[in-house]
Amino acid sequence: AQSVAQPEDQVNVAEGNPLTVKCTYSVSGNPYLFWYVQYPNRGLQFLLKYITGDNLVKGSYGFEAEFNKSQTSFHLKKPSALVSDSALYFCAVRGPSGNTGKLIFGQGTTLQVKP
Amino acid sequence: EPEVTQTPSHQVTQMGQEVILRCVPISNHLYFYWYRQILGQKVEFLVSFYNNEISEKSEIFDDQFSVERPDGSNFTLKIRSTKLEDSAMYFCASSTGTGPTGELFFGEGSRLTVL
Repeated sequence: AQSVAQPEDQVNVAEGNPLTVKCTYSVSGNPYLFWYVQYPNRGLQFLLKYITGDNLVKGSYGFEAEFNKSQTSFHLKKPSALVSDSALYFCAVRGPSGNTGKLIFGQGTTLQVKP
Repeated sequence: EPEVTQTPSHQVTQMGQEVILRCVPISNHLYFYWYRQILGQKVEFLVSFYNNEISEKSEIFDDQFSVERPDGSNFTLKIRSTKLEDSAMYFCASSTGTGPTGELFFGEGSRLTVL
C-alpha cells in the first residue's frame, strides 16, 4: 500500500539558515511524490512533485526536494529560510489507483522560522 | 490563475442536521475530490469522482455522505445527519486527470462545526 511518513511534528530553524523537512515513502510501483504547504486557515498549495528523471526537483518559493530511491526519501529543502515560510507542510504520494486516484498525505510537519 | 472555490467558508449546524458543502472546481478539470482535516491534523481522503460517478471512497465516506455534480460547474458534498465528529475542515480538490503525475488543486476549505 502507498504511504508516506513525516517523522518530525515540528522543525525549528533560524531565518537565513537552510531548512529540511523530512519525508519517507513506501510504494508499490513507481513513486509519484508531492509536497504541499498550508498556511494558517488556508487550503493546501502545491509546491513541487517528483515524477521521474532528475532527483533534485525545484518548486515554488525557492523550495526544492531531493528524491532518494535507496533511502526511499523525498526531503523538502530550502537553502535560506524566511519567516514567511512558517507553515504546515505535507508530503503526499499518489495512490495505487493511478491517474484516477487520490493523493495520500503524511501527517504534516510544522515549520517554524524564527527571526 | 484559475482556482477551486468553496462555499460556505464556515458553517455551524446542530447535530442531526443535513449539510451541503459546495465547490466549483477548475473548469477544464475532470477529477474531483473531497478531503477533510480535523483541527490542523492529517488531511484525510474522503472520495474521488469522475465521469459523474464515484471512482473511489474511503472508510470515512459512509452512507451519511454523498456527492453530486448537479450541473456543469458545481460539485457538492452532502452530510445527511451530522455528528459531532464530523466537525472538521472540508477541502475540495480537482485535477486534470492527465495521468498519475498530475497534482491536485485545492480550495480554501469549508469549516464545519457541529454542535
